[in-house]
Amino acid sequence: AQKVTQAQTEISVVEKEDVTLDCVYETRDTTYYLFWYKQPPSGELVFLIRRNSFDEQNEISGRYSWNFQKSTSSFNFTITASQVVDSAVYFCALNSRQTGANNLFFGTGTRLTVIP
Amino acid sequence: NAGVTQTPKFRILKIGQSMTLQCTQDMNHNYMYWYRQDPGMGLKLIYYSVGAGITDKGEVPNGYNVSRSTTEDFPLRLELAAPSQTSVYFCASCPLAGMREQYFGPGTRLTVT
Repeated sequence: AQKVTQAQTEISVVEKEDVTLDCVYETRDTTYYLFWYKQPPSGELVFLIRRNSFDEQNEISGRYSWNFQKSTSSFNFTITASQVVDSAVYFCALNSRQTGANNLFFGTGTRLTVIP
Repeated sequence: NAGVTQTPKFRILKIGQSMTLQCTQDMNHNYMYWYRQDPGMGLKLIYYSVGAGITDKGEVPNGYNVSRSTTEDFPLRLELAAPSQTSVYFCASCPLAGMREQYFGPGTRLTVT
């Protein structure tokens, strides 16, 4: 069965603090992809990153970084020096052959509020 | 490219009414999807299509129908609207290659009263 758990429902940080959003996934498949999407207050879904199950290298993109650890089935997302514009709901999602439709299986999201 | 477009942006329906949510993509993607997002929840798959003329059910298909007569368009039909269908609906598309990122439309906020 597919499952994505984002245990942190809401997080508040003060601007310039670092923050890590947790994502734990479950799948029986050996080939899968993990994603992070951002949903700002305007409501659209913005793609942030895709990572396949064979690539455990961490990735950094500006203030964003991602830590993928297969041993703990986690794909955590860190924002360094947070800014007010980072305030949004962040979704972790899983795609594997088990889903059949090539659809994304989403976690429930983490609402991040960055306080100026 | 406009990407994925959805109309309308907002709609209020009375119980028992019907409506069609429109979705169009101009990226020549074969895969298209309809998701719904309930408050405080992630997105759940309603229906999907792997190409023109081919559709299949997702996780929560009851109360909905779809069709895919062209590569570009993937409308979602609600028959006999119910309050449980109050949600935000997202259409998405994806290239043929497997497990690629999906591109989402801006969403349609539907309220059934």
